Amino acid sequence: DAGVTQSPTHLIKTRGQHVTLRCSPISGHKSVSWYQQVLGQGPQFIFQYYEKEERGRGNFPDRFSARQFPNYSSELNVNALLLGDSALYLCASSFNPDSTDTQYFGPGTRLTVL
Amino acid sequence: EDQVTQSPEALRLQEGESSSLNCSYTVSGLRGLFWYRQDPGKGPEFLFTLYSAGEEKEKERLKATLTKKESFLHITAPKPEDSATYLCAVAQAAGNKLTFGGGTRVLVKP
Repeated sequence: DAGVTQSPTHLIKTRGQHVTLRCSPISGHKSVSWYQQVLGQGPQFIFQYYEKEERGRGNFPDRFSARQFPNYSSELNVNALLLGDSALYLCASSFNPDSTDTQYFGPGTRLTVL
Repeated sequence: EDQVTQSPEALRLQEGESSSLNCSYTVSGLRGLFWYRQDPGKGPEFLFTLYSAGEEKEKERLKATLTKKESFLHITAPKPEDSATYLCAVAQAAGNKLTFGGGTRVLVKP
C-alpha cells in the first residue's frame, strides 16, 4: 500500500515568492496535518484538516494557508517567502483526528529560500 | 502550553552498548505519547504509541516505557543501522495535534 506522498521533493525559491506544496494521504485516511521542521529541531505543527475543514492551526503567520480537497489530498501555500521559511515541510495523515490514531508522515518537501 | 524535552541531544554508542533516551513532557490531558525514528532528510517513521503510565512496548532492540511525567526509549545491544534521530511527541486531549521534542541524535559505531 502506498504511504503518504508529497510533491515536490525539493524546491528552491527566492524571497517574496509564493510556493504550493502538495500531499496525498494514505488511502482511507481523512485527516491531514502539516508540520515545519527546521534543521536540527523537532517538527512544529502548522495546520490540521479533517473532512475539508480546518481543525487546528499552529503559531504561524497568515502567510501560511492550506486546504483539503474532496479526495482528502491537501495543499500548503506560503506567500511572501522569507529566508526563515527554509525547512523540511512534512505532511502526516491519520484516519480520525478525534482519537489518538497514529499520524503517518510522508517524506517531506525540502524548501530552500534564497 | 504543552512542552516536550528530550535528552540527551546527542548520543554516541559503540555497537552492543545499551542505553536509554529520555522524553519529559508537560501536557494537559495526555491522549498519547509517540516515538518516531527519523533518518537524515526523510520523514519520521512511526515506532510506538503509549497511552497510559506503566505501559511498555517493544520492537526488536527498542523498548518504550511511560510514566506520568516522562517516557524512556531503551536501545538494547544497538547496531549501526539503529543510528538515527529519535523523536518523541505528545497528543493532548483536544485533537491529535502532535507537539514534538527536539529529538536525540543517536550514532552507533561498529
